[in-house]
Amino acid sequence: EAGVAQSPRYKIIEKRQSVAFWCNPISGHATLYWYQQILGQGPKLLIQFQNNGVVDDSQLPKDRFSAERLKGVDSTLKIQPAKLEDSAVYLCASSFGLRSSEAFFGQGTRLTVV
Amino acid sequence: GQQLNQSPQSMFIQEGEDVSMNCTSSSIFNTWLWYKQDPGEGPVLLIALYKAGELTSNGRLTAQFGITRKDSFLNISASIPSDVGIYFCAGRSDSNYQLIWGAGTKLIIKP
Repeated sequence: EAGVAQSPRYKIIEKRQSVAFWCNPISGHATLYWYQQILGQGPKLLIQFQNNGVVDDSQLPKDRFSAERLKGVDSTLKIQPAKLEDSAVYLCASSFGLRSSEAFFGQGTRLTVV
Repeated sequence: GQQLNQSPQSMFIQEGEDVSMNCTSSSIFNTWLWYKQDPGEGPVLLIALYKAGELTSNGRLTAQFGITRKDSFLNISASIPSDVGIYFCAGRSDSNYQLIWGAGTKLIIKP
């Protein structure tokens, strides 16, 4: 079974530039999560989708972050414009159901904003 | 808001030693999860606990869901080099779909 695919693995951008990350969840998984993980901390949920609908985006900085999952499968997360404090690993995860504990994570995208 | 305190922050152990780490919450959780994260990888689920008092094993790993529903423990017996990494606890209450994560315990094996 293929795992959660994310790209790119690494990205370096200058502050005020924009960046986009892509995630393809495990086939059949209805729930998709985007997490931000700052070095030395646990993952922080940014947004959670159930199919193509948003379940929770309470911690998403909506002035600069946006995410979509138009067809209920793959998803993109965008930051525009980026700030220095956005430097982190962005993890995508998916699970079968909304309350499933069996969430599988991708390898993440390491973003460095300079 | 809900908070998780995970301790210790890091551990230096000898190969073969047993390891214990724990998480405490400011509120009641109905699910406790333990993950391990290797460098450059996403977290991988080790053990899931769904009932107060539950004790669950996965090989050399054993985790317990505290009776008060505000804490959980993870034990690793006879540690080996591949156990190094960062261990995270995460909890969920019935009132919220969101997982609350601890800050992690970094396990280092002394040469």
